[in-house]
Amino acid sequence: ELKVEQNPLFLSMQEGKNYTIYCNYSTTSDRLYWYRQDPGKSLESLFVLLSNGAVKQEGRLMASLDTKARLSTLHITAAVHDLSATYFCAVDSYSNFGNEKLTFGTGTRLTIIP
Amino acid sequence: NAGVMQNPRHLVRRRGQEARLRCSPMKGHSHVYWYRQLPEEGLKFMVYLQKENIIDESGMPKERFSAEFPKEGPSILRIQQVVRGDSAAYFCASSPRRVNTEAFFGQGTRLTVV
Repeated sequence: ELKVEQNPLFLSMQEGKNYTIYCNYSTTSDRLYWYRQDPGKSLESLFVLLSNGAVKQEGRLMASLDTKARLSTLHITAAVHDLSATYFCAVDSYSNFGNEKLTFGTGTRLTIIP
Repeated sequence: NAGVMQNPRHLVRRRGQEARLRCSPMKGHSHVYWYRQLPEEGLKFMVYLQKENIIDESGMPKERFSAEFPKEGPSILRIQQVVRGDSAAYFCASSPRRVNTEAFFGQGTRLTVV
């Protein structure tokens, strides 16, 4: 059974600082997602990482994937308050029925302090 | 092109009542997934359906829960005789293909059992 672990679970950081969220997963996968969720809202897709060594950047967020280490990182540069949210990684896997499904990490609740 | 539409957005049910959650996939999408998010947790896969077929229900509780995706109309997630532990956010996602594709999430239905 695929397991996805994120750390840290909670993260408070000051504006302007840099930090990294880690996502480890237990079995091989071809696709990894990062999502943002604001309280009471749905998931906003941030990045889709498809191959080993993939790196994607959008604004102050950068995501990378190391499929050999089964590790993805979400790096936050010079954090600003509006990045406060819960961030999830999710790993795609194939079921016994041939369909894909996502296994989510537990989430990292990020709070940016002015 | 409207996104994945879920309704109702919020649903309150008394213990023992039935809850019906509806999901209309994006136009052109015939693959639907349901996920459940318990408070302070990540999303967990429940069921995957194609039109008129349940393909993978490995994440569905054995009792009281059922899902359908009829030829016409939205997908329905039905919870009979709800209990407090069913209180959660239920998200639907849809995709155009079974594999090698990103699924897009709806806004979710927040079920509260009182």
